[in-house]
Amino acid sequence: DIQMTQSPSSLSASIGDRVAIACRASQSIGNYLNWYQHKPGKAPKLLIYAASRLQTGVPSRFSGSGSGTDFTLIISSMQPEDFATYFCQQTNTASWTFGQGTQVEI
Amino acid sequence: QVQLVDSGGGVVQPGGSLRLSCTASGFPFSTYGFHWVRQPPGKGLEWVTYIGHDGSNRQYVDSVKGRFTISRDNSENTVYLQMDSLTIEDTAAYYCARNLWDTSGWHRFDYWGPGTVVTVS
Repeated sequence: DIQMTQSPSSLSASIGDRVAIACRASQSIGNYLNWYQHKPGKAPKLLIYAASRLQTGVPSRFSGSGSGTDFTLIISSMQPEDFATYFCQQTNTASWTFGQGTQVEI
Repeated sequence: QVQLVDSGGGVVQPGGSLRLSCTASGFPFSTYGFHWVRQPPGKGLEWVTYIGHDGSNRQYVDSVKGRFTISRDNSENTVYLQMDSLTIEDTAAYYCARNLWDTSGWHRFDYWGPGTVVTVS
């Protein structure tokens, strides 16, 4: 199975900061990579699909890049509602593997 | 609007069974596949199982094969997860998610339920 590794596992940020989260696949997955935001007690929310495509309704301060094995989620200017845990997910194979998550704290 | 509601979680003893439900509204249910994803306490997300739009395609993570069964009732707009022979390792919040797939081959879990908690103890 494809393993997904995120870094860092947690980070601290302030309002207005630019935040970058990395995700690495154990083998090439092309651009079959999604990013989700998850807040405690809430449903996860799709942010980015196909590595760089913004899901409808998601603010443009979120962006994704990368292909093959290395991917990045960028939040260009942190807002109060962005403090959450972020997960990457590969959809290249039907094991649909997630990364372990990156917790973004104030 | 699109809405998924998970239910059926609870406390069960090891070896016991539980059936989760995911009821959908706001879209043509029978044209979409669905997943169940779980999150054990303090851990990340783990994909568990998938069912295609007509129920003919079902996939499972190895750790639940032979114990969990996914099914759907398109007349009731509901997806089910029958969980048998439960172990402590199955303790988690369980989420259903809609699968969106386009002709470019990109899958994504575009809507999720709020989750239902299963505790095996």
